[in-house]
Amino acid sequence: AQSVAQPEDQVNVAEGNPLTVKCTYSVSGNPYLFWYVQYPNRGLQFLLKYITGDNLVKGSYGFEAEFNKSQTSFHLKKPSALVSDSALYFCAVRDHYNTNAGKSTFGDGTTLTVKP
Amino acid sequence: DVKVTQSSRYLVKRTGEKVFLECVQDMDHENMFWYRQDPGLGLRLIYFSYDVKMKEKGDIPEGYSVSREKKERFSLILESASTNQTSMYLCASTPTYSVPAYNEQFFGPGTRLTVL
Repeated sequence: AQSVAQPEDQVNVAEGNPLTVKCTYSVSGNPYLFWYVQYPNRGLQFLLKYITGDNLVKGSYGFEAEFNKSQTSFHLKKPSALVSDSALYFCAVRDHYNTNAGKSTFGDGTTLTVKP
Repeated sequence: DVKVTQSSRYLVKRTGEKVFLECVQDMDHENMFWYRQDPGLGLRLIYFSYDVKMKEKGDIPEGYSVSREKKERFSLILESASTNQTSMYLCASTPTYSVPAYNEQFFGPGTRLTVL
């Protein structure tokens, strides 16, 4: 079985400050990890993914995420937040063994609010 | 530009009605998914399909059925709509090239369904 947890419902940061949105996962085999962003009244957009290789993954809009196998975490980060980053963020995981159609398990989402 | 479209952005139906939600993708993807999104519950998988006429139950299939007669189209059917099916419904697709688990999902804009 695969699962993912986003321990914070809400994250608030000031514009220009660094931001972190947390994600931890549980899988049987090797994890494949994804971050998506959802702006109001829109579908989800892909930000970045970790499949294998370098633990630091860079994605769209200046976001990056660090894969930490020992802590089973995949936290989303950005060095300097923008007001326009305010949105709902979802972490998702797939198990290496669950390759059927690429079925993912999503976290409950974290609302990021960046204040001017 | 890749695209997943959903037939309606907003839909209001009455209890007991049969409801059809349509999803079309133009990316020639093999795999398609239907999720519902509720506040605090994240995305929950209703059904998915990895090929034409193939379907598998997700985590919450009760009260729903699906149809995939053509590769590009995946329909979600509420046989007899109930108020607890009021939700945001998201369609997604993903390709099967390389390893399916490696590939991110592409989402439609969502259909906000209200059942009165």
